[in-house]
Amino acid sequence: AQSVTQLGSHVSVSEGALVLLRCNYSSSVPPYLFWYVQYPNQGLQLLLKYTSAATLVKGINGFEAEFKKSETSFHLTKPSAHMSDAAEYFCAVSQGAGGTSYGKLTFGQGTILTVHP
Amino acid sequence: DAGVTQSPTHLIKTRGQHVTLRCSPISGHKSVSWYQQVLGQGPQFIFQYYEKEERGRGNFPDRFSARQFPNYSSELNVNALLLGDSALYLCASSWGGGDTYGYTFGSGTRLTVV
Repeated sequence: AQSVTQLGSHVSVSEGALVLLRCNYSSSVPPYLFWYVQYPNQGLQLLLKYTSAATLVKGINGFEAEFKKSETSFHLTKPSAHMSDAAEYFCAVSQGAGGTSYGKLTFGQGTILTVHP
Repeated sequence: DAGVTQSPTHLIKTRGQHVTLRCSPISGHKSVSWYQQVLGQGPQFIFQYYEKEERGRGNFPDRFSARQFPNYSSELNVNALLLGDSALYLCASSWGGGDTYGYTFGSGTRLTVV
């Protein structure tokens, strides 16, 4: 079984401040981990993914995340927030290459990021 | 290149009716997955199809069914609609059947059951 917990359903930052969105996972096999962003009334856009290569993953729009196995975490960061970053962010886990649940992404509940001028 | 396309974008149905949602994957992608996103929650996995075969099924009742066609497009069918089926239904496509390549999501179909 696998699960994802996103700490904080709402995060508010000022423009130019550090963005930190927290994600902890549970998986019985080495996981693949993903961060997606969802703008209002739109689908999900992939920001970055971890698939057992480098533990520090760089994504689009200046976002990056670090896989920490000992902490079962995959937190998303961005050094300087921009107004256009305001959206809902979802962390997801899958069973990766060693799993049998093909195509099953398990998502967290989401974190709404608000950016203040 | 066109992304993942879903139709219709919005739909209103009455309780007890049947609905069919459609998804066209990115050209060359052979895998399609379906997700249900209820307002305020993360998406929940419904099905995955790869090479026209069901490869994964989430914890949804038998009222939910799907299929994949030879051109890799897919349909999600829901029978005997309930108010609780109101949600955004997302389709995701991938080149392979596993997770290595990541998934590209469509913009979804917003289903409202009244």
